[in-house]
Amino acid sequence: EVQVVESGGGLVQPGGSLRLSCAASGFTFDDYAMNWVRQAPGKGLEWVSGISWNSGTKGYADSVKGRFTISRDNAKNSLHLQMNNLKPEDTALYYCAKDTGTYYDSTLASYFFDSWGQGTLVTVSS
Amino acid sequence: DIQMTQSPPSLSASVGDRVSITCRASQTISTHLNWYQQKPGKPPQVLIYGASTLQSGAPSRFSGSGSGTDFTLTIRSLQAEDFATYYCQQSYKIPRTFGQGTRVEI
Repeated sequence: EVQVVESGGGLVQPGGSLRLSCAASGFTFDDYAMNWVRQAPGKGLEWVSGISWNSGTKGYADSVKGRFTISRDNAKNSLHLQMNNLKPEDTALYYCAKDTGTYYDSTLASYFFDSWGQGTLVTVSS
Repeated sequence: DIQMTQSPPSLSASVGDRVSITCRASQTISTHLNWYQQKPGKPPQVLIYGASTLQSGAPSRFSGSGSGTDFTLTIRSLQAEDFATYYCQQSYKIPRTFGQGTRVEI
């Protein structure tokens, strides 16, 4: 069974840092790109960041560029999101999402996110 | 970025109704359009990808159509378990933007 499980969320003050992790199982992790998607309380979905199978290409939403860093460890089947200089508007439930493509930025087909975790809550507040 | 606009933002319907939700892209996206369903307290699940391909395991009462800039998700006969929020997402260009969602209520 394909499974992704997020961890690392919590309460942090503005300007602080957090590192989110996602543990993957049930599929060949290094065959697929991975993504982070967030959802602010009562709001819609926002793609945050993506990384290709071999970490060769990575991308970020403009709202987090320069503050967040995505990485993956294929040997440990894990995905990470280092979040620095956090702002109150970063408060959200952060989902780890498995891509159906190998490259997060491939547009050759209608790739989509076929497995999601339950999310980890990040609250940025003083 | 490509903007995705869904309509209506919410709708009320009854079990057995035929329901349609539309999604419009700010530029052409061919058929690179996905639909997700999200129930309260749960992560999204894909229903349709490539504008019209039903994801394995999704009920056949769901269907998708459209190409270019205009797309539709149709629920043929609404069931109790279909009351949820539905999101479209384009995968034509990075970032893969989502619509704002359509809440289907009783």
